[in-house]
Parts: sequence; structure tokens; C-alpha cells
Amino acid sequence: KQEVTQIPAALSVPEGENLVLNCSFTDSAIYNLQWFRQDPGKGLTSLLLIQSSQREQTSGRLNASLDKSSGRSTLYIAASQPGDSATYLCAVTGGYQKVTFGTGTKLQVIP
Amino acid sequence: GAVVSQHPSWVICKSGTSVKIECRSLDFQATTMFWYRQFPKQSLMLMATSNEGSKATYEQGVEKDKFLINHASLTLSTLTVTSAHPEDSSFYICSAIPRESYEQYFGPGTRLTVT
Repeated sequence: KQEVTQIPAALSVPEGENLVLNCSFTDSAIYNLQWFRQDPGKGLTSLLLIQSSQREQTSGRLNASLDKSSGRSTLYIAASQPGDSATYLCAVTGGYQKVTFGTGTKLQVIP
Repeated sequence: GAVVSQHPSWVICKSGTSVKIECRSLDFQATTMFWYRQFPKQSLMLMATSNEGSKATYEQGVEKDKFLINHASLTLSTLTVTSAHPEDSSFYICSAIPRESYEQYFGPGTRLTVT
């Protein structure tokens, strides 16, 4: 059974800092890995999708890497802003297109 | 990009009643849709896999008679919470996968409150 863990569970940083969120998964047989953000009481916003054959994806200030063999992914956020405050979820797609979500990292960027 | 909608976005119902949530893929056909549930301060947990034209597959611990799923067309799946109880109050999100794709597109979610 796939298990996805995110560390840290919560993170508070001053505005402008670069930061890294970590995601680890137990079963490396995945099709892709996605990073989402979720604002309080809201749905999911897809940030980045990395296919299993890819090593990283970039979108603006976000960069996500994937090391499938070691079961790890990182989300790098450059020059953090208060608007980045949210919960960040990683999710892996495995066999039968089943998606397993991580436990989430709650990020607070302090102005 | 692919868009998935849910209706309603929020609903309040009385204990013992049933409520239906719709999930639609607006610009693509989805043979498979998924239903997830999120309790406060927890991550999303898969409830069931909905396949067009066949019975849904439920995850362990999810009561199929309580959470009725119907995938009547390639663009619509419905989740009906029957005889709702306050502990069913949660955030329900669906997702859909276009044909020949492994990327899931998520709906905006439905917040259910049972009083």
C-alpha cells in the first residue's frame, strides 16, 4: 500500500525566503507526482505535474524535483510571498490510476 | 485545460436526509472518476472509483450502501450520501481522468454539513 509523507507538517518563514517542502513515498512504481496547494476551506489548485520519466518541472517561482528510485520529491519556492501561505499537498498516481495524497505541509509566510 | 465542476459547492442538510453531489467533466470525456473525502485538518482519502457503465469500486471501510455512486455518462458522476449523519460532514472532492491520460483533474469540492 502506497504511503506518502510530507515533512515538515508546518512551516513558518519570513517573506522573501527561499524554502523547500519535502515529499516521500514508499512505492516507486508511480506514473506521476503532482503538487497542489489548498487554501483554507477551498479545493485543490494544481501547481506542478512531474511524469515518472521526468526529473523536474518549473513554473514561475516553483520548482519540483522527482527522484523516483529513492521515493522523494521536493518543491522549491523561491522568494516566498504572503500569498504563498496555504497547505501544500503532494500526490502520487500509481496502478489503476489511484492517487495517494500526502499529509500536507501548512506554510505561513510572514510579511 | 481540462475542467471539472462540482455541484453544489456547499450544502447543509438535516440528519437522516439524503444529498446528491454532481461531478462533471466539462470539456472532455472521462471513463473514470474518483471521489475523495477530506476531514478537517486531514488529507484527502480516496472513497471510491467510478467507472462509466459499471459499478463503483469502494475503498476499504467505505460503506457502499451509504455512499451511492452513479457514473451514468462519460461526463457525469454522482455521489449520494444517504441517511446523512453529522459525522458525514466533510469536504468531498471528485476528479476525472481524460481518455488515454494519467493526469487527474480535480473539481472544486463540495462542503457538506449535516445538522
